[in-house]
Amino acid sequence: AQKITQTQPGMFVQEKEAVTLDCTYDTSDPSYGLFWYKQPSSGEMIFLIYQGSYDQQNATEGRYSLNFQKARKSANLVISASQLGDSAMYFCAMRVNNAGNMLTFGGGTRLMVKP
Amino acid sequence: EADIYQTPRYLVIGTGKKITLECSQTMGHDKMYWYQQDPGMELHLIHYSYGVNSTEKGDLSSESTVSRIRTEHFPLTLESARPSHTSQYLCASNSFSGEKLFFGSGTQLSVL
Repeated sequence: AQKITQTQPGMFVQEKEAVTLDCTYDTSDPSYGLFWYKQPSSGEMIFLIYQGSYDQQNATEGRYSLNFQKARKSANLVISASQLGDSAMYFCAMRVNNAGNMLTFGGGTRLMVKP
Repeated sequence: EADIYQTPRYLVIGTGKKITLECSQTMGHDKMYWYQQDPGMELHLIHYSYGVNSTEKGDLSSESTVSRIRTEHFPLTLESARPSHTSQYLCASNSFSGEKLFFGSGTQLSVL
C-alpha cells in the first residue's frame, strides 16, 4: 500500500524568505510520480510541480523546487522568496504507476506567510 | 488552464434529500475521479472511472454513486443526504498518459 506523510500541520514563514515543506512517502514500486498541489482558502487544487521516480534532476517550476531524495523517500517542496499569496494548504501526493495511476494524498501543511 | 467544471459551488440541503453533484470536463480525458475532503484535511478518493461505462469505488467507503455515460460527464449522486455527508467534493480528471491531475473548483455540501 502507498502512504504519504506530511509531518508539519502548520508553518509560518516571513515574507521574502524561503521555506521547505516536508513530504515522505512509502511504496515498494520502483515506478511512481510525486506531486505538490496548493489549495487556497477558495478550495480549488492548483498543481505546482511534478517529479518522476526515474527523473535524474530535481524538478523546478519558477519559485518552486522539489528536493527529491530517493533513498530517503522524501520529496520536500521548497518555495523561494515567499509571497503573501503563498499562504494556503499544500498537499503532497503520489501516484504509483502499477496501482491504477491514482493519486494518494498526504494530510497537508498549512503555510502562513507573515508580512 | 483547467477545463473541468463542477456545479453547484455551494449546496445547503436538508436531510433525506436526493442530490446530484455535476462534473464535466472538455479536455477529452478518459480518467475521472471524485475526492472527498473535510476542512483542512487530506483528500480521500471515493470513486473513479477509466472511461465510459467504467466506474469503481475508491479507498474511502462512500454511500454515493456515480455514472459515466459520456466521456465528459461524471456526476455523483447521494440518494438520501445525511449530515455526515457534509464535506467538500472535488472532481478531477487526466488522460491515460497524463501526469497531472486537473481539479474542478469543488462543491461544498452542507446537509442540515
